[in-house]
Amino acid sequence: DTAVSQTPKYLVTQMGNDKSIKCEQNLGHDTMYWYKQDSKKFLKIMFSYNNKELIINETVPNRFSPKSPDKAHLNLHINSLELGDSAVYFCASSPKIGGPQHFGDGTRLSIL
Amino acid sequence: QQQVKQSPQSLIVQKGGISIINCAYENTAFDYFPWYQQFPGKGPALLIAIRPDVSEKKEGRFTISFNKSAKQFSLHIMDSQPGDSATYFCAASPFSGGYNKLIFGAGTRLAVHP
Repeated sequence: DTAVSQTPKYLVTQMGNDKSIKCEQNLGHDTMYWYKQDSKKFLKIMFSYNNKELIINETVPNRFSPKSPDKAHLNLHINSLELGDSAVYFCASSPKIGGPQHFGDGTRLSIL
Repeated sequence: QQQVKQSPQSLIVQKGGISIINCAYENTAFDYFPWYQQFPGKGPALLIAIRPDVSEKKEGRFTISFNKSAKQFSLHIMDSQPGDSATYFCAASPFSGGYNKLIFGAGTRLAVHP
């Protein structure tokens, strides 16, 4: 009964490929987020959705496209992967905009 | 530019000691200040949070001290235990206004030695 679950946990792929990361939350929360944690552990928000509507879109390359089919799911698709995309990507959710955020355990993306 | 500055980068404390991690912010619109704890291979977990209408909040061995005029806040871990060894992140965001965009500090790696 994991609250925020991400798949896959590890993703190793080659430069130029397209890949997706999935996130699901069973907390009944309205708001979901994607964060990127770089090799120095710095955490930065990328996107946020509230009830399937995009509300935060940071200065992220347009190779990254989030999709929220329903408020319990937020997926992240990345086109034309680059070496600099190597990082841990975290999904999070909160009961509402402004509520405490609960994080998943991350997807470690490694680009060869 | 780093909107939330966190120090120290790493900290070693003996078991039973007090761990203190400091953060400073610039944006006066910030009014929600959480601390997150992250163990290796896991996501950050909310530890404790404070709003600027109080100067201190305590939950068990964890205390946040908040100084609004100095735009600084800190985490104190009393009676530190080896199980507290983790990376700690402070964060800040405007709680109201419709957008909960957490801005994180760079993190502090805490090691508690037995």
